[in-house]
Amino acid sequence: AQSVTQLDSQVPVFEEAPVELRCNYSSSVSVYLFWYVQYPNQGLQLLLKYLSGSTLVKGINGFEAEFNKSQTSFHLRKPSVHISDTAEYFCAVSDLGRGEKLVFGKGTKLTVNP
Amino acid sequence: DTAVSQTPKYLVTQMGNDKSIKCEQNLGHDTMYWYKQDSKKFLKIMFSYNNKELIINETVPNRFSPKSPDKAHLNLHINSLELGDSAVYFCASTVLLNTGELFFGEGSRLTVL
Repeated sequence: AQSVTQLDSQVPVFEEAPVELRCNYSSSVSVYLFWYVQYPNQGLQLLLKYLSGSTLVKGINGFEAEFNKSQTSFHLRKPSVHISDTAEYFCAVSDLGRGEKLVFGKGTKLTVNP
Repeated sequence: DTAVSQTPKYLVTQMGNDKSIKCEQNLGHDTMYWYKQDSKKFLKIMFSYNNKELIINETVPNRFSPKSPDKAHLNLHINSLELGDSAVYFCASTVLLNTGELFFGEGSRLTVL
C-alpha cells in the first residue's frame, strides 16, 4: 500500500521569501502525485499534479513541484510567497490503475508573515 | 454554481443521536467519496461510490452508512454518534479511473457533545 510523509507539520516564512514544502512517498508500483491546498474553513483544491512526462510540474498561484523517482520525493516550491498563500498543504499519491484511491499526507501548515 | 455542495455545513448534536450529511455534485462525475478530517487535519478516506455502487469501504464502524440514490448524490448517515466522531467530513467527486484529481465540497463540521 502506498503512503505519504510530509516532513514538516508547520513552515513559517516571511512574505516574498522562497518556500519549499517537503513530501516523500512510498509505493510498490508507479504512482500519480498531487499537491492540494486547503484555505481556512474551505475544502481542498488541486494545486498541481504529476502523471507522467516532465518531472517539473507547474501549478496554480506560482507553485511548482519536482518529481524525483530515485528519492521518492515530490517537493513543492514557490520562489516568492504572499500573505494569501497561508494555508494547509497536502501531498497525495495514488497508484497507477487505482486512481480512485487517493492517500493524503498529514499536511503542512504554511504561515506567511508580513 | 457550487460544484460539490454539502449540507449542513455545521452540525452540533448529542452523543447517541443519529444524523445525516448530504452531498450533491453537478459536475457530471461518476465517482463520489466521503473523507474524514480529524482535529489534526489528517484526511482519511471512508467510502467511495461509482454509479451508485460501493467501490471503496475502508475500516469504518458500521454505524456509518453511505447511501447513493444516484450518481450525483452521496449521503452519509451516522448512527449512535460518539465523541470520537467529531470531525470535518468532506465529500468529493471525480471521474472513475481518472488520475486522482478530486473536487471537494466545503466540508461539514460535526461536533458531538
